[in-house]
Amino acid sequence: SQQGEEDPQALSIQEGENATMNCSYKTSINNLQWYRQNSGRGLVHLILIRSNEREKHSGRLRVTLDTSKKSSSLLITASRAADTASYFCATVSVSGYSTLTFGKGTMLLVSP
Amino acid sequence: ETGVTQTPRHLVMGMTNKKSLKCEQHLGHNAMYWYKQSAKKPLELMFVYNFKEQTENNSVPSRFSPECPNSSHLFLHLHTLQPEDSALYLCASSQDSVGDSPLHFGNGTRLTVT
Repeated sequence: SQQGEEDPQALSIQEGENATMNCSYKTSINNLQWYRQNSGRGLVHLILIRSNEREKHSGRLRVTLDTSKKSSSLLITASRAADTASYFCATVSVSGYSTLTFGKGTMLLVSP
Repeated sequence: ETGVTQTPRHLVMGMTNKKSLKCEQHLGHNAMYWYKQSAKKPLELMFVYNFKEQTENNSVPSRFSPECPNSSHLFLHLHTLQPEDSALYLCASSQDSVGDSPLHFGNGTRLTVT
């Protein structure tokens, strides 16, 4: 069953702008991961944030996690055309299966 | 290069055909996965193998039959598929299957069932 749900479904911005994508989930988690998928390719892991962490950075990426609201956000700063892709959040639940459950993704278009 | 190689990249098959998808990982991981990606739907986990043993079968129809001969290779055998089985089939691997390790995906096999 779907755990993570991304918002918005699609986002269109200009190069240089920041892009923010949100993810909400339903059950308690061990960790939350963000992935990127370019058209026709596999998913690429971007960042993992554990349930006891609130914020994590990797280059131009900033991920926040609010376990009280069961939500996470992915911020891409100073976006580039090459950031155009679909972005997915995935969660690992505390109970039940330990494997990842993905959302439907946010399609990001960055125009030059 | 992702470290996970899937073949073929594209496959068109009739409903009465039998075909196999192949996945190979060069990362020394112990867990391998099959996911199905259909348009406008979340990725669906199909099968999980950990140290060659199947640990999850997510209520997948028997027309999909996985095989994991060793920790580096994973197959998905297909027979008598339906048109709704057309999708992108993604293989992934991770260090282990406890959920703390990121998944490394192949580029998928785009399957079309006619």
